[in-house]
Amino acid sequence: DSGVTQTPKHLITATGQRVTLRCSPRSGDLSVYWYQQSLDQGLQFLIQYYNGEERAKGNILERFSAQQFPDLHSELNLSSLELGDSALYFCASSVAGATYEQYFGPGTRLTVT
Amino acid sequence: GIQVEQSPPDLILQEGANSTLRCNFSDSVNNLQWFHQNPWGQLINLFYIPSGTKQNGRLSATTVATERYSLLYISSSQTTDSGVYFCAVKVGGGADGLTFGKGTHLIIQP
Repeated sequence: DSGVTQTPKHLITATGQRVTLRCSPRSGDLSVYWYQQSLDQGLQFLIQYYNGEERAKGNILERFSAQQFPDLHSELNLSSLELGDSALYFCASSVAGATYEQYFGPGTRLTVT
Repeated sequence: GIQVEQSPPDLILQEGANSTLRCNFSDSVNNLQWFHQNPWGQLINLFYIPSGTKQNGRLSATTVATERYSLLYISSSQTTDSGVYFCAVKVGGGADGLTFGKGTHLIIQP
């Protein structure tokens, strides 16, 4: 158990819908990262937050957005969902910036039908 | 961006065998991690090793940062070692997350 929690574990929804994925980092960690794992793209970095502020952006679509709240939990919002958004979404956390070891949550498996 | 290449892509071994997995990267890094993704999809931290050598039980890893590669050694393989092994790096000096290789798919047969 990494100490990073994610909910829900599974999510099935239809095209065009909007969903929210939630992540709680390890106790004491200030950075939260979101990654997407799909069959064609592999594991890709989406976005990083540090202590409530956006720190870095990767290959995140404009339809996707995230935020980190004062209690340091984070949410990833995915809207206007397409079939190609079906993937495993991971949250990770680290004590500070990305040079520090990142610990991954169990992931949320999103299926868009 | 930084390129991360892992080899071999697939590896099938008998229980008890030893193996070496390689990760080459194209730029200087200040974070390098090895993960094991088990059949349930969970990413398990194996090593945080931007440079040097570490050992943890039957597993060990070495990163030669100046030559831009890292090696993961698995000795006396067990069936529970099966899964996909990922190397992930963060390029030095940039604000970014981890860049993952495509992984090595390891199957340990009893």
